[in-house]
Amino acid sequence: DGGITQSPKYLFRKEGQNVTLSCEQNLNHDAMYWYRQDPGQGLRLIYYSQIVNDFQKGDIAEGYSVSREKKESFPLTVTSAQKNPTAFYLCASSTGVGLYNEQFFGPGTRLTVL
Amino acid sequence: AQTVTQSQPEMSVQEAETVTLSCTYDTSESDYYLFWYKQPPSRQMILVIRQEAYKQQNATENRFSVNFQKAAKSFSLKISDSQLGDAAMYFCAYRSALDSNYQLIWGAGTKLIIKP
Repeated sequence: DGGITQSPKYLFRKEGQNVTLSCEQNLNHDAMYWYRQDPGQGLRLIYYSQIVNDFQKGDIAEGYSVSREKKESFPLTVTSAQKNPTAFYLCASSTGVGLYNEQFFGPGTRLTVL
Repeated sequence: AQTVTQSQPEMSVQEAETVTLSCTYDTSESDYYLFWYKQPPSRQMILVIRQEAYKQQNATENRFSVNFQKAAKSFSLKISDSQLGDAAMYFCAYRSALDSNYQLIWGAGTKLIIKP
């Protein structure tokens, strides 16, 4: 089955720790995205990548880092510099970054800082 | 900067009836796309319907249709014959043609409750 997988589903982090959220897609999509979702708010873009070995910051990139070494994978690291990392994180992909391209979403990871 | 507003934090409808979710947006641009996404309790975000700004005809997808009023900057979603499976958060989103990053701008969402 083609789709996007995210792991883990739930993640707990102690303050001061870095954690990495996994996102894998087998849709052969060029573009991948990371969003953060907080209660009562819409999605906010953290980072996105149009091609391998290239990525751009979104609106709230501070305290986060990404890599895009393979087309299928776009891991997100939440660093200790992120002041309030408790949130729901969604990964998405699309065939490209163009206007007409639908974004497909993974099931998300719930990150909680203890 | 563009903004998207969903003024209804929560809506409820009786099963089999029709409900309309509101969305307004602010932009000075003429070329853009609008989307409605559904996020059920599983939290998987699913595209429901999309509208191209330069198309006057309202988009429809089975029981889902939109009322796109470009001059009023309004993009409401109508769900006919509501079903229990329609219960979810619904998000309206905007994408500009001028933004080279083609970012989606999201509304805060409307929680739709279906009463059996």
